[in-house]
Amino acid sequence: DTAVSQTPKYLVTQMGNDKSIKCEQNLGHDTMYWYKQDSKKFLKIMFSYNNKELIINETVPNRFSPKSPDKAHLNLHINSLELGDSAVYFCASSSTVYFYGYTFGSGTRLTVV
Amino acid sequence: GNSVTQMEGPVTLSEEAFLTINCTYTATGYPSLFWYVQYPGEGLQLLLKATKADDKGSNKGFEATYRKETTSFHLEKGSVQVSDSAVYFCALSAPKTNFGNEKLTFGTGTRLTIIP
Repeated sequence: DTAVSQTPKYLVTQMGNDKSIKCEQNLGHDTMYWYKQDSKKFLKIMFSYNNKELIINETVPNRFSPKSPDKAHLNLHINSLELGDSAVYFCASSSTVYFYGYTFGSGTRLTVV
Repeated sequence: GNSVTQMEGPVTLSEEAFLTINCTYTATGYPSLFWYVQYPGEGLQLLLKATKADDKGSNKGFEATYRKETTSFHLEKGSVQVSDSAVYFCALSAPKTNFGNEKLTFGTGTRLTIIP
């Protein structure tokens, strides 16, 4: 059983398209995150949700819209994709009650052409 | 604000060599400290952690000690293997200021390559 699962693993799309990445966790965690990792492996937090409520919203273009239908799911929708959006996007989750760090998904490699 | 500084890579070592990857941090209060490892094509995995000063985290032969006086959390391993080749991230979690606002601040990562 995968603890944090993301789909798709790879996504190749053209500029201007709209795409979504889905994330689900079965750990019973109450907080979920989206991180962006660039080609130099630098990790930058994008969003954080706690029990479906947006907690962290870093400086991210409003073309990126997260949605959390329940505390086990956090999806990321991206409108009007640009070349600079190409990166690996990681979903992660954690527990606020027993915080021992994050559990990460395996990532979605987005390539915009 | 909080920040983590890691030694720049890449680091290349021969198998069975001694490894140190330096990590220092800046934070208010008493953060928890973590090392994550990312193998090629995979997500980040928690390697070890320490939650208070002088704690030593250890896992898979790796160790790191939380040194408050030097604000450091250096990663060490006595004898590295080819399978340790990966990118290593130091991170800190500051004490929560409001419920649910737990955020990890990551260093820039250090790529480690072990040659046979």
